[in-house]
Amino acid sequence: DAGVIQSPRHEVTEMGQEVTLRCKPISGHDYLFWYRQTMMRGLELLIYFNNNVPIDDSGMPEDRFSAKMPNASFSTLKIQPSEPRDSAVYFCASSLQGWQPQHFGDGTRLSIL
Amino acid sequence: EDQVTQSPEALRLQEGESSSLNCSYTVSGLRGLFWYRQDPGKGPEFLFTLYSAGEEKEKERLKATLTKKESFLHITAPKPEDSATYLCAAYPSGTYKYIFGTGTRLKVLA
Repeated sequence: DAGVIQSPRHEVTEMGQEVTLRCKPISGHDYLFWYRQTMMRGLELLIYFNNNVPIDDSGMPEDRFSAKMPNASFSTLKIQPSEPRDSAVYFCASSLQGWQPQHFGDGTRLSIL
Repeated sequence: EDQVTQSPEALRLQEGESSSLNCSYTVSGLRGLFWYRQDPGKGPEFLFTLYSAGEEKEKERLKATLTKKESFLHITAPKPEDSATYLCAAYPSGTYKYIFGTGTRLKVLA
């Protein structure tokens, strides 16, 4: 079975540019989660969706970040404009139900110069 | 404030030297506690779910246990391939927001 698929795996861009990260969850999973991982702060939840609807976006750091889930098989996390402090590894995860284990993609390593 | 703390931050073991990793949590109305393994350049890989105090789960050389305040990941006779970062996460009642600890980096030497 295909796991969670994220693209791109690596992204290097200059400050001020728009960045779009993509995620395809496991088919049939109703929950989708976006995380950011840094050495300083570890894994932090940014936002999660249930049946394509955003449920909790309290972890989104500021208005420069936005996330959408237009259908059950695709989600995007967008940063506009990007800043060097946004450099991190961004993970997407999905779960069958909210109380069940989350399954993670291999992440997007983002570097903002 | 809900919090998950893992110790030690790093651990070096000789092959075959058993040990335990600790995950302490202060979470209002714990609904579930999860253990993950993360290899460099990869996403966290699910290992175990524990839902109530006293529960235990085992998989190969790993055994996870849960009390009302903490969870332990026991590693019996580890091998070099067990080297990874081990993360625990908890979620409180009323939400499905996992709160992750910062992990324990385990290195097993041959």
